[in-house]
Amino acid sequence: AQSVTQPDIHITVSEGASLELRCNYSYGATPYLFWYVQSPGQGLQLLLKYFSGDTLVQGIKGFEAEFKRSQSSFNLRKPSVHWSDAAEYFCAVGEGTGGFKTIFGAGTRLFVKA
Amino acid sequence: DTAVSQTPKYLVTQMGNDKSIKCEQNLGHDTMYWYKQDSKKFLKIMFSYNNKELIINETVPNRFSPKSPDKAHLNLHINSLELGDSAVYFCASSQVYHEQYFGPGTRLTVT
Repeated sequence: AQSVTQPDIHITVSEGASLELRCNYSYGATPYLFWYVQSPGQGLQLLLKYFSGDTLVQGIKGFEAEFKRSQSSFNLRKPSVHWSDAAEYFCAVGEGTGGFKTIFGAGTRLFVKA
Repeated sequence: DTAVSQTPKYLVTQMGNDKSIKCEQNLGHDTMYWYKQDSKKFLKIMFSYNNKELIINETVPNRFSPKSPDKAHLNLHINSLELGDSAVYFCASSQVYHEQYFGPGTRLTVT
């Protein structure tokens, strides 16, 4: 069965520093991969997605992610973090067998310090 | 215009009661979902409908019954509420194989 692992429950980064959030997935075929962000008290918002093609994908709010098949990873990066980036980040994998189902990782909580 | 809306935003009720949560999307998507997010922020799919047809039904107690009167609406009815049902419930919609658009969530508290 497919699964998603986000090894870091929480991460603290200084404002202006770079960020990398890790995500590993388990899936037999080429997966559909997503990163979502959830601000406190809000629903989830898509940051970026990977279906095929260029393995480096750009998203909103200055985020990017790189798909590495050999490592089964889809890590999220941002070169310079802003205080408003403090939120919960979810990596997700989707598959279309028997109805499109998305499996979410447990999330990584990002704290930004001044 | 709100893309995916849910009502109510908060729901406080006692054990044993029956309650409903409503969801509407104006994106023209074919697929809608219900998710449960627990206190640890873990997000788990409960149901998915495609063009009013149930296509995903995860291991959810049969006290939970979804209903899709048309492809823009997906409601969730919960019978005999239990303490463990306390969570945030999210509705979402998508075109199949594409990203999902989430509603703001309904925080259910069972006392």
